[in-house]
Amino acid sequence: DVVMTQTPPSLSVAIGQSVSISCKSSQSLVASDKNTYLNWLLQSPGRSPKRLIYQVSKLDSGVPDRFSGSGSEKDFTLKISRVEAEDLGVYYCLQGTHLPFTFGSGTKLEIK
Amino acid sequence: VQLVESGGGLVQPGKSLKLSCSASGFTFSSYGMHWIRQAPGKGLDWVAYISSSSGTVYADAVKGRFTISRDNAKNTLYLQLNSLKSEDTAIYYCARGDRWGQGVMVTVSS
Repeated sequence: DVVMTQTPPSLSVAIGQSVSISCKSSQSLVASDKNTYLNWLLQSPGRSPKRLIYQVSKLDSGVPDRFSGSGSEKDFTLKISRVEAEDLGVYYCLQGTHLPFTFGSGTKLEIK
Repeated sequence: VQLVESGGGLVQPGKSLKLSCSASGFTFSSYGMHWIRQAPGKGLDWVAYISSSSGTVYADAVKGRFTISRDNAKNTLYLQLNSLKSEDTAIYYCARGDRWGQGVMVTVSS
């Protein structure tokens, strides 16, 4: 199975600051169709997860452009610019290239 | 788009349970669907996937015990859970990929 190594496990940031979360895969996530199926999700406290970004850098509808995704092959980053209070929660990366799909272990974002 | 899970509850080890996920607001038959679970206080754990053509894939931890299925006429996704173990205790979510349900709790305990 593809192992997704997500760091850091937690972050504490002030409103307005920027943060980055890393996700590294044990195998290349480039699929046979040349797409890279790396997603980022946010689970806000007490809520079900919500997908923010798919295929490395494509924002889901309604997701603020303060969120951005980048990376390739085995190394991916989620960046949140100008953090807002509503951004708190646990962020997960998810690879959908190889079966079984696998999640990172999560990064808990707290607001100072 | 709305996904609503049901069928959870408390069940004894070794017993069975069937979860349902009612879909609305989109053409259900056109989409592959997932079940994903989250043990209390833990991270997300992918469980199973069914394609629009009903091909299925399972996580090793549930292979042979769980069965994912769909009824396109009823716009409903299912997960049959057999031979349940305490480690299957979790919130079970159905997901389209970009949309998740609210989840349903399954507790396996004697």
